[in-house]
Amino acid sequence: GAVVSQHPSWVICKSGTSVKIECRSLDFQATTMFWYRQFPKQSLMLMATSNEGSKATYEQGVEKDKFLINHASLTLSTLTVTSAHPEDSSFYICSARATWRGNTIYFGEGSWLTVV
Amino acid sequence: AQSVTQPDIHITVSEGASLELRCNYSYGATPYLFWYVQSPGQGLQLLLKYFSGDTLVQGIKGFEAEFKRSQSSFNLRKPSVHWSDAAEYFCAVGSTGTASKLTFGTGTRLQVTL
Repeated sequence: GAVVSQHPSWVICKSGTSVKIECRSLDFQATTMFWYRQFPKQSLMLMATSNEGSKATYEQGVEKDKFLINHASLTLSTLTVTSAHPEDSSFYICSARATWRGNTIYFGEGSWLTVV
Repeated sequence: AQSVTQPDIHITVSEGASLELRCNYSYGATPYLFWYVQSPGQGLQLLLKYFSGDTLVQGIKGFEAEFKRSQSSFNLRKPSVHWSDAAEYFCAVGSTGTASKLTFGTGTRLQVTL
């Protein structure tokens, strides 16, 4: 079936540094991908919609300069957390819309970010 | 704005017992509705979805859900729960536009006792 892969699964970075998380659709093209953030024992909160070849659309309250999203190809979107701080530590999940499967949304495995 | 309410934060059932997880949504038009399951530290797996048509939807792992427009509900059911079903379950509503942004409920944690 359709697969969405995220890399890395786990990452630890120092405060003040930047970290990039990749989201790939492995067997389908995705013009639209989504980035979510999930705090422990909480629900998923949509951060932004990533559109191939154009700027991402950010949800209210999400700092676009801090969470840089690039969707350079039909199978890859990246989320870069810039100048990371401990409060950015979270579980980040991406999803991709498979238009060829009735617009079904498939999720990646998620990426744990810990900022120390 | 669309929203989802999962009134039960935590549910415990015995293995072999039936299960129903509640989900109520708020959306102005006909919604796209989803149920996802998440194991600890993992991503989300789609159990089933409703876009239109038959209001009783069959999913994977023996789950089903029924869309009731009059009650704005999309409850998830399983006739006989297995210990491996213990996980977090999320109900979500999606927009009918091309972007398909999902709004998630707060989740229901299912515990299964042997």
